[in-house]
Amino acid sequence: IQLTQSPSSLSASAGDRVTITCRASQGIRSFLAWYQQKPGKAPKLLIYGASTLQRGVPSRFSGSGSETDFSLTISSLQPEDFATYYCQQLHTYPFTFGPGTKVDIK
Amino acid sequence: QVQVVESGGGVVQPGRSLTLSCATSGFGFSSSGIHWVRQVPGKGLEWVAGRSFDGYTKYYAPSVKGRFTISGDSSENTLYLQMNSLRPEDTAVYYCAKDNVLPGANSFDYWGQGTLVTVSS
Repeated sequence: IQLTQSPSSLSASAGDRVTITCRASQGIRSFLAWYQQKPGKAPKLLIYGASTLQRGVPSRFSGSGSETDFSLTISSLQPEDFATYYCQQLHTYPFTFGPGTKVDIK
Repeated sequence: QVQVVESGGGVVQPGRSLTLSCATSGFGFSSSGIHWVRQVPGKGLEWVAGRSFDGYTKYYAPSVKGRFTISGDSSENTLYLQMNSLRPEDTAVYYCAKDNVLPGANSFDYWGQGTLVTVSS
């Protein structure tokens, strides 16, 4: 199962609302997770089951979608949110990741 | 608390072998799925291999199937990745990550810090 993400990168300002989309090449129900990765660090789980916030993740992050179309929204971008975001499907092995979306400062 | 610590990375010549270790604590090693994910520096994430929650089933990415093997030592709570016939394109940071055990929460909730493998002559 292939995942595509758009955009591949975006520039935004603190306080902006940002939405990243992830599309699967076939239906994966809600078996989708989102991760945040900062340079030199391991990925951090943000959302699982397409829309459930991992414990400890700020509520400005939200996820939606099912089957083939998903999105991650950051309602008000904070300085610590500048990072690369990846989606991952866990419906079928081999589990695959999207190519990533880099969010940087405008 | 949950800890996942990789080790064993280094520089290895093409065609040679290397074994990575993933030492874990703070969760049920024998009842958790655990995976290896790699990342070429500056590039995206690639799922490499994984073990089912009961330890019986192993899964591999097509790019490593037949060359890499997962095994586990439940007495040491450690997962291994035996990598044979290494190629320059296997050069990457290798992360170990555990399954989120909450019902329906398919995801990787804890990750190690990664270990760098460089395949070069």
